[in-house]
Amino acid sequence: SQQGEEDPQALSIQEGENATMNCSYKTSINNLQWYRQNSGRGLVHLILIRSNEREKHSGRLRVTLDTSKKSSSLLITASRAADTASYFCAAYSGNTPLVFGKGTRLSVIA
Amino acid sequence: NAGVTQTPKFQVLKTGQSMTLQCAQDMNHEYMSWYRQDPGMGLRLIHYSVGAGITDQGEVPNGYNVSRSTTEDFPLRLLSAAPSQTSVYFCASSSNRGHTEAFFGQGTRLTVV
Repeated sequence: SQQGEEDPQALSIQEGENATMNCSYKTSINNLQWYRQNSGRGLVHLILIRSNEREKHSGRLRVTLDTSKKSSSLLITASRAADTASYFCAAYSGNTPLVFGKGTRLSVIA
Repeated sequence: NAGVTQTPKFQVLKTGQSMTLQCAQDMNHEYMSWYRQDPGMGLRLIHYSVGAGITDQGEVPNGYNVSRSTTEDFPLRLLSAAPSQTSVYFCASSSNRGHTEAFFGQGTRLTVV
């Protein structure tokens, strides 16, 4: 399975702090994607990093990819209460559907 | 743009009843998929389609049926609802499988009693 596995399962931080979530996967990938899900809503795409990329930025988001360790990390800098959500990674191999992990629940306390 | 639209948003079924969850997208995406989300289980793929007339099974297909007669629509049918199918169901679409971002609907919360 290409399933991404996020770590930690839950994370609680103060507003203004940085939040780091990790994702591991099992076999070679074409790309890895991160999504956010607010409570009771659908998933929203955050960022896609391809296998030949090592780092990507989007606003306060920074994603890294280490294909040798089969892992990725999502860093949210200067967290806000509005960042409270669940975050999912999904690894795509190119010949199987997108498969999601169980997610990291982030709580940002004001 | 409406994006991906799911109906209904909420549904309560009795065991044994059948129903269809509707999913429509207006982005001309070839690839569509259905997931179910249960507490602590993340999203699990039920069925997917790479284009009109083509469907395939995902991780948890039993008890569900799909068809894809048009690019826009990808309905999910529950043949005989069971309490184990109580879940939140999400439909997603993308222009090129997992090569590009997936767009999700807002979900259908289904309770089977």
